[in-house]
Amino acid sequence: GAGVSQSPSNKVTEKGKDVELRCDPISGHTALYWYRQSLGQGLEFLIYFQGNSAPDKSGLPSDRFSAERTGGSVSTLTIQRTQQEDSAVYLCASSLALAGVIYEQYFGPGTRLTVT
Amino acid sequence: AQKITQTQPGMFVQEKEAVTLDCTYDTSDPSYGLFWYKQPSSGEMIFLIYQGSYDQQNATEGRYSLNFQKARKSANLVISASQLGDSAMYFCAMREAHTGTASKLTFGTGTRLQVTL
Repeated sequence: GAGVSQSPSNKVTEKGKDVELRCDPISGHTALYWYRQSLGQGLEFLIYFQGNSAPDKSGLPSDRFSAERTGGSVSTLTIQRTQQEDSAVYLCASSLALAGVIYEQYFGPGTRLTVT
Repeated sequence: AQKITQTQPGMFVQEKEAVTLDCTYDTSDPSYGLFWYKQPSSGEMIFLIYQGSYDQQNATEGRYSLNFQKARKSANLVISASQLGDSAMYFCAMREAHTGTASKLTFGTGTRLQVTL
């Protein structure tokens, strides 16, 4: 079946511009996650959605970062006024979510963002 | 304090040999889950294996097994009969139930495994 998809796969932008990154989760997965991976580093949590609401936004690094999810499916991560330190691979993941059950997360291929 | 610690930045193993990748974790939550993911050079994160804190037996998935020592708070990944295709970054991760069973994963910094002929 179809996995998690992300677009674009690569994005080069100038400092100060806004960018939008898209994630299409696995069908039926109500939980959706955004992570960031800087060069040679582990994954840093950004935000988590359950349905269309975001119970945990604790990882968003600044108010330049925002995300939304519509229809319990596609999510968009927006970075305003991009800075060079925003350069990273942005990974989206999705999982099933039933109370009391821990499920694995399935990851998309990522969007490599380069801010020049 | 680090929630997940992977102390081996890089490991080498010969083809067909077994290798153990170390992971220790820190939590006061009695209910948690531990995960291992593989990240090849292509960049995708591939789920390998899961261990729940209340699971009585160590998890196994094909050539992967998890050596879970709860009292020592360690969850080492064992790869048996290594193959060239196992060369990748390996990440240990944890989800704590008190933050919700669908909550975020906290990742370690990873171990780069290189399988040699």
